[in-house]
Amino acid sequence: DTEVTQTPKHLVMGMTNKKSLKCEQHMGHRAMYWYKQKAKKPPELMFVYSYEKLSINESVPSRFSPECPNSSLLNLHLHALQPEDSALYLCASSQVWGNSNQPQHFGDGTRLSIL
Amino acid sequence: SQQGEEDPQALSIQEGENATMNCSYKTSINNLQWYRQNSGRGLVHLILIRSNEREKHSGRLRVTLDTSKKSSSLLITASRAADTASYFCATDAARETGTASKLTFGTGTRLQVTL
Repeated sequence: DTEVTQTPKHLVMGMTNKKSLKCEQHMGHRAMYWYKQKAKKPPELMFVYSYEKLSINESVPSRFSPECPNSSLLNLHLHALQPEDSALYLCASSQVWGNSNQPQHFGDGTRLSIL
Repeated sequence: SQQGEEDPQALSIQEGENATMNCSYKTSINNLQWYRQNSGRGLVHLILIRSNEREKHSGRLRVTLDTSKKSSSLLITASRAADTASYFCATDAARETGTASKLTFGTGTRLQVTL
């Protein structure tokens, strides 16, 4: 079991639907991340939240809308997605970098299919 | 964008043998990390090596870092069938204290360990 929980595990949606992916951690981490991973490829960073504020947006299309309601939760709102958006979406969390370097803790992801 | 290249892309060995994976990167780093990903799961952090370190051990894992060549290697000794997974290096670029990390993943090595 991972310490970062993502729901749902699988999601199938049409291109006109609106859905949300959820991520939760209770490790006290103040940085949270969204990644997109296509099959047999490495994860690609989408967004970074630091202390509940968006600090990095890797030029992600506006049909993906992140939200960090509190220090434990991270959402990714989806609207009008395209078939090429089908992928595994991974959430991760970490300590904010201070005097020591900290690894990221990943959830098991949401496998998203766009019809 | 992807920064690291890993080789080999795929590696098949027998149980008990050693597995070596290599990673090259392009820019200055704060640290380099190795992650494992089992099929259909999230990434699991294995080991972190700082830019001022040259070698690090953790159980059956040995990581080396050569910042002059911008390369790292991961050695898994006495491999087991349970080591079958994809392995990714990830670089954390130099950044300000108190900011979240921004990992850039390598292309990954798919390791198959057979009985």
